[in-house]
Amino acid sequence: QSALTQPPSASGSPGQSVTISCTGTSSDVGRYNYVSWYQQYPGKAPKLMIYGVSKRPSGVPDRFSGSKSGNTASLTVSGLQAEDEADYYCSSYEGGNNGRVFGGGTKLTVL
Amino acid sequence: EVQLVESGGVVVQPGGSLRLSCAASGFTFTDCTMHWVRQAPGKGLEWVSLINWDGTSTYYGDSVKGRFTISRDNSKNSLYLQMNSLRTEDTALYYCAKEGRGDYGASFDYWGQGTLVTVSS
Repeated sequence: QSALTQPPSASGSPGQSVTISCTGTSSDVGRYNYVSWYQQYPGKAPKLMIYGVSKRPSGVPDRFSGSKSGNTASLTVSGLQAEDEADYYCSSYEGGNNGRVFGGGTKLTVL
Repeated sequence: EVQLVESGGVVVQPGGSLRLSCAASGFTFTDCTMHWVRQAPGKGLEWVSLINWDGTSTYYGDSVKGRFTISRDNSKNSLYLQMNSLRTEDTALYYCAKEGRGDYGASFDYWGQGTLVTVSS
């Protein structure tokens, strides 16, 4: 099981858009539409932001969107707000052992 | 309201054993696959294990396979993680997480607040 690859950091100014990538393989991200994204504030539990590649749970602002192309999934945050500053993790179903795999996380800074 | 409350985290010596528990409420526990996910201090999330609704299927991450055992008691709405042969690298905050159903499949839609396991001599 290899972790998915995310950039360690990303940043943007308020109102701008930022995209975080999540690269896996043809055994996880590339094969299944089971990519999800989580937001985590320091000292808090993760919160589901996107599931099934691009679906938003109730209560998540539509500024958050997800997509996938080949082995790479992406999370886009539009209209950045100060409260979006957090760590973001992607996750995928891994068919090899029916397990799950996470990305290393990306720290989003709102400048 | 969905609630997941973990307990059992303590300081334990390398080679020791520990059992974590997660008490679930606010949803039909028997309908759901459940997971343990851990986070070492200052590090990212790592998937540990999952168990299906009736306990007949379990899966583990490579780093814990053969040392950890996941189980559940549906009569008590509880999830467990038996941790044996603990190593210093097992030091982490251990989260109990509920897997979403239907379209939410394979995502973690609710998380507990975690219980801290420290492996140190």
